[in-house]
Amino acid sequence: GAGVSQSPSNKVTEKGKDVELRCDPISGHTALYWYRQSLGQGLEFLIYFQGNSAPDKSGLPSDRFSAERTGGSVSTLTIQRTQQEDSAVYLCASSLDAGEETQYFGPGTRLLVL
Amino acid sequence: AQTVTQSQPEMSVQEAETVTLSCTYDTSENNYYLFWYKQPPSRQMILVIRQEAYKQQNATENRFSVNFQKAAKSFSLKISDSQLGDTAMYFCAFMKGGKLIFGQGTELSVKP
Repeated sequence: GAGVSQSPSNKVTEKGKDVELRCDPISGHTALYWYRQSLGQGLEFLIYFQGNSAPDKSGLPSDRFSAERTGGSVSTLTIQRTQQEDSAVYLCASSLDAGEETQYFGPGTRLLVL
Repeated sequence: AQTVTQSQPEMSVQEAETVTLSCTYDTSENNYYLFWYKQPPSRQMILVIRQEAYKQQNATENRFSVNFQKAAKSFSLKISDSQLGDTAMYFCAFMKGGKLIFGQGTELSVKP
């Protein structure tokens, strides 16, 4: 079946603008995760959603970052008032359930803030 | 807090030979999961292998196997009969409570 998909593949924006990154998880997967991969910080957990439970937002670096998941499927990560340090690859993953299930990753969105 | 350390930033191996990538981690948990993911230049993170901490038997997946030493908190990946397509960044990861904690990665080059 189809894997995790993300759009756009690449995004260039100007400092101060808002951006939205989209993730479509694998069909039937109830858990969805966002990670950030940057040169300086490596791979970092940002947020995860599990079914109808409140999301775990413990990894979001600032209040400029937010995410939502509509209808238990598609998720959007929004970064407001982007800064140059937000430049990174944003990876989305999904799993059958949260907890100890294997996570399957999408191809990522490369964000460049000028 | 859990941490994952990969002490080899870069490694290279000749095609058809065997290579071992190192990973150590720190945790006070008893039940957890460990993973190796591969990230080729295409950027897609691909699962290589998974190990449950409660299992003593080392996981294997075709040419890939692990040496899991729970007491030593060590989780190395062995790649046998290396192929050019194995060239990629390899990440070791610890999971507890749904969140993955990654090491810094080892860049593996397989040379013809």
